[in-house]
Amino acid sequence: DTEVTQTPKHLVMGMTNKKSLKCEQHMGHRAMYWYKQKAKKPPELMFVYSYEKLSINESVPSRFSPECPNSSLLNLHLHALQPEDSALYLCASSQWDRDTGELFFGEGSRLTVL
Amino acid sequence: GENVEQHPSTLSVQEGDSAVIKCTYSDSASNYFPWYKQELGKGPQLIIDIRSNVGEKKDQRIAVTLNKTAKHFSLHITETQPEDSAVYFCAAGNSGYALNFGKGTSLLVTP
Repeated sequence: DTEVTQTPKHLVMGMTNKKSLKCEQHMGHRAMYWYKQKAKKPPELMFVYSYEKLSINESVPSRFSPECPNSSLLNLHLHALQPEDSALYLCASSQWDRDTGELFFGEGSRLTVL
Repeated sequence: GENVEQHPSTLSVQEGDSAVIKCTYSDSASNYFPWYKQELGKGPQLIIDIRSNVGEKKDQRIAVTLNKTAKHFSLHITETQPEDSAVYFCAAGNSGYALNFGKGTSLLVTP
């Protein structure tokens, strides 16, 4: 199994809503990532979890709250988002973050904030 | 920090022709150079990667070359097919989280 599974594939939310994005991998990877990708742009790193602990937060606004309940799951909690937060949110995993190994991406969750 | 420049931003080729995409990087500590293909509505998928101790790597119709002295690396796709049409991203770094992506090349292969 070399898949990173993300749900939901599409999400529309208002600025006052609270929602969550979910990500799951069963490759035994110990590093998991959230990226944000705007149209026609490369992915931008948001958060890195290493061994279930947050190791990198790229100065992301607090309206985005990551959570790693266990080594296979990664969530991104969303609250009070702005329309400019509309984007494709990609989850990725790798064996661990200190080694230059392959980064496996999920298909992404396309978020629209109204 | 690392800066990765990618050219061209768009590339159109006839089916069967070759396509070349070039990237340059700035940080001499970078030792890992992957290439990702992203089809419309999908996540990026690794198609080939190269490490700094290797000058060239080939996988069927795809090859990557690395010139560490000049700090540039290139993706070569031979005998292009319509299904090769996608956005291609190069990246450079020395650890998983420290990957820096180029801005992408939109490749169109016309029948």
